[in-house]
Amino acid sequence: GESVGLHLPTLSVQEGDNSIINCAYSNSASDYFIWYKQESGKGPQFIIDIRSNMDKRQGQRVTVLLNKTVKHLSLQIAATQPGDSAVYFCAENSNPGANSKLTFGKGITLSVRP
Amino acid sequence: EAGVAQSPRYKIIEKRQSVAFWCNPISGHATLYWYQQILGQGPKLLIQFQNNGVVDDSQLPKDRFSAERLKGVDSTLKIQPAKLEDSAVYLCASSLGVRNTDTQYFGPGTRLTVL
Repeated sequence: GESVGLHLPTLSVQEGDNSIINCAYSNSASDYFIWYKQESGKGPQFIIDIRSNMDKRQGQRVTVLLNKTVKHLSLQIAATQPGDSAVYFCAENSNPGANSKLTFGKGITLSVRP
Repeated sequence: EAGVAQSPRYKIIEKRQSVAFWCNPISGHATLYWYQQILGQGPKLLIQFQNNGVVDDSQLPKDRFSAERLKGVDSTLKIQPAKLEDSAVYLCASSLGVRNTDTQYFGPGTRLTVL
């Protein structure tokens, strides 16, 4: 079946270091990918997105990389801060060419050590 | 800009009881989504509305779950009767349209505990 998954359940990083969160997807037809951040007691918050015709997209302190050959997505956070501590989800649009339908991965917890 | 509003924030019920959740999307957003998020997992789409019409309800357990968006603005999700496995956070999201690049904005969710 189609699925989006994450390699590691938790990631612990030192404040100020760079973080890399990885995600594997299985639907080669997916054409749009999104990273969400979810803090405790809140709904997911959009971070950054990328279309399948791109390999890289940069935002403020965040970069998303897409490798369609191996169906891999990663989120890089520069100079990780305590406020970055949260659960991160990757999601793919599993209904390309039609109405948006997001399939979420299981999530990875990022813990920032002071 | 006000975000997606949901109520109640928390609800505790016994199995076989009924429960309803309410969502008010961002003003002007035509598309509204209800998701179920079980602890430790990503959100799973239950139903998607565009205006007051259902776009996708393929993953909604229709024997016990129902949802409506009668006037194309706010929406209610109902569970009747509830089961233990319905314990989860129910998230509402909205987007301007249905294109895959229309960002979905999420509300804070309603945490349901079924005893």
